[in-house]
Amino acid sequence: QKEVEQDPGPLSVPEGAIVSLNCTYSNSAFQYFMWYRQYSRKGPELLMYTYSSGNKEDGRFTAQVDKSSKYISLFIRDSQPSDSATYLCAIAYNNNDMRFGAGTRLTVKP
Amino acid sequence: EPEVTQTPSHQVTQMGQEVILRCVPISNHLYFYWYRQILGQKVEFLVSFYNNEISEKSEIFDDQFSVERPDGSNFTLKIRSTKLEDSAMYFCASSPQGLGATEAFFGQGTRLTVV
Repeated sequence: QKEVEQDPGPLSVPEGAIVSLNCTYSNSAFQYFMWYRQYSRKGPELLMYTYSSGNKEDGRFTAQVDKSSKYISLFIRDSQPSDSATYLCAIAYNNNDMRFGAGTRLTVKP
Repeated sequence: EPEVTQTPSHQVTQMGQEVILRCVPISNHLYFYWYRQILGQKVEFLVSFYNNEISEKSEIFDDQFSVERPDGSNFTLKIRSTKLEDSAMYFCASSPQGLGATEAFFGQGTRLTVV
């Protein structure tokens, strides 16, 4: 069964906090990992793509993958009110089929 | 910056009617996808399309659904006889080389309302 688990939250943090968002997956065939941000009634916006265990950094965002534990994380440093959105993890095992988590709703309070 | 564009942004249709949702993927991308998101639920995979044929489809993508790339730029999703439960946001996505090599970029979606 290709399943991705993500805590839907909601998660509320003060401005400037470090945010940690997490997903777990059950199938070790999953090899490609993405994080998307989605504003209400809009399309998912790509934040990060990675395929290897370890960390990948892009500005205030760091994606972390632990394939041995089947666990992925997204860290947001110095969070801003504009980061308030739903964050979706997405995992693929081939070119075709990307499976999404439920999404975590994040609110960053000024 | 290139983007995936979808039309219309909102479509209202009567149950039993056929609808066609349109997408223009990013130029030079080779893989195309349709996803849907029922309000308050997960984004769900429907179908992927590569080299002018379906490469994978989910159990949701039954005989009522079809996809087509009628020319070099458009990618369409047709629902033959809509049901109330087809009401959802439908997202088109494209990827330069497939998810195994690169990321997928999404359009802003078409909100389909079946009444």
